[in-house]
Amino acid sequence: NAGVTQTPKFRVLKTGQSMTLLCAQDMNHEYMYWYRQDPGMGLRLIHYSVGEGTTAKGEVPDGYNVSRLKKQNFLLGLESAAPSQTSVYFCASSPPGANVLTFGAGSRLTVL
Amino acid sequence: RKEVEQDPGPFNVPEGATVAFNCTYSNSASQSFFWYRQDCRKEPKLLMSVYSSGNEDGRFTAQLNRASQYISLLIRDSKLSDSATYLCVVSPEYNFNKFYFGSGTKLNVKP
Repeated sequence: NAGVTQTPKFRVLKTGQSMTLLCAQDMNHEYMYWYRQDPGMGLRLIHYSVGEGTTAKGEVPDGYNVSRLKKQNFLLGLESAAPSQTSVYFCASSPPGANVLTFGAGSRLTVL
Repeated sequence: RKEVEQDPGPFNVPEGATVAFNCTYSNSASQSFFWYRQDCRKEPKLLMSVYSSGNEDGRFTAQLNRASQYISLLIRDSKLSDSATYLCVVSPEYNFNKFYFGSGTKLNVKP
């Protein structure tokens, strides 16, 4: 049972390039989340989804877009990467009404 | 003001020591509270939920003080394997989908 899988694990981008991070979960969870983690800041919610076809903004959504076309997948897109988006990105999922977040292993993104 | 604040540490303690972390939260409407553990360069994992009456899981004890809006985690008989960053997490009742994370407290347990 893989749980939550994120791809890629590492990526280096140049300013202005675009990319997509993929999150896949095999636990049939309804809720999915994208967080970023920066030193001294804790995890901050970028976007989240409460079900297939629905997405909502979190605390820091600017510069990111998301899609949830299939229940098991949650994509995070950067249209025009900026150095401020250098971070570690974590995807998480949870069943509705449950308190537990299951995280993926993280994706380390560097924007030069 | 941050939703959740923690002392970043590091807390450096010898094996066998007892260590306690506190965390404060700003939203008095918060209803769900947790401690997550994060090892270096790994993802966070749930350590324990925090209940109003306090709860214990082996060597770990969590307490909630709603009046003062803080949560605590006590680790007894520290092990080398307890070395990690401990994240305090709260969730407001009105929006159960969102979890607010503290920046974490780093614990180093020394031989």
